[in-house]
Amino acid sequence: DTEVTQTPKHLVMGMTNKKSLKCEQHMGHRAMYWYKQKAKKPPELMFVYSYEKLSINESVPSRFSPECPNSSLLNLHLHALQPEDSALYLCASSQERSSYNEQFFGPGTRLTVL
Amino acid sequence: SQQGEEDPQALSIQEGENATMNCSYKTSINNLQWYRQNSGRGLVHLILIRSNEREKHSGRLRVTLDTSKKSSSLLITASRAADTASYFCATGQPLTVDTGRRALTFGSGTRLQVQP
Repeated sequence: DTEVTQTPKHLVMGMTNKKSLKCEQHMGHRAMYWYKQKAKKPPELMFVYSYEKLSINESVPSRFSPECPNSSLLNLHLHALQPEDSALYLCASSQERSSYNEQFFGPGTRLTVL
Repeated sequence: SQQGEEDPQALSIQEGENATMNCSYKTSINNLQWYRQNSGRGLVHLILIRSNEREKHSGRLRVTLDTSKKSSSLLITASRAADTASYFCATGQPLTVDTGRRALTFGSGTRLQVQP
């Protein structure tokens, strides 16, 4: 299985809602990532998990809260988002011990904040 | 912050023609990778070239790397309508000094349109 899955595919939420994005991989990868991508822009790194521990937080606002329950799952909890947070949220994974860090991406969750 | 800048930003060609995209970067790198993204979808890894390599081929793809100029190019030969997508270069760099953990920094991307 060389696939990274993400749910939901689309999400519309109000600024007072709490929602979660989910990501799953079964490739045995021990590094997992969250990226945010605005239209016609490159992906921007948000968080990196290594062996289920948060290793990098790229100064992301606290209204985004990542969680890695186990080596196959990665969640992104959303609370009190702003309309400017509307974007495509991409999850990726890679072999932690690979120094070259080829990443496998999921299809993304298209988030709209009203 | 974006490490790489790509040009052109957009490219429109006819089927059968070759497409060349360029990527420039600013700091030293461990490797450079190219990814493809169909509209609104996830990214797909195409090819990786290490800093000690100068050229690499994969099917209809040819990548070159010039570390002295901090630039790379991606050539797609005999393009097809299905090649229509955005193409991103990405550089692997250390993000933390203590652990040397690496992550990817993406260039601005080239939107390729192949007309049938």
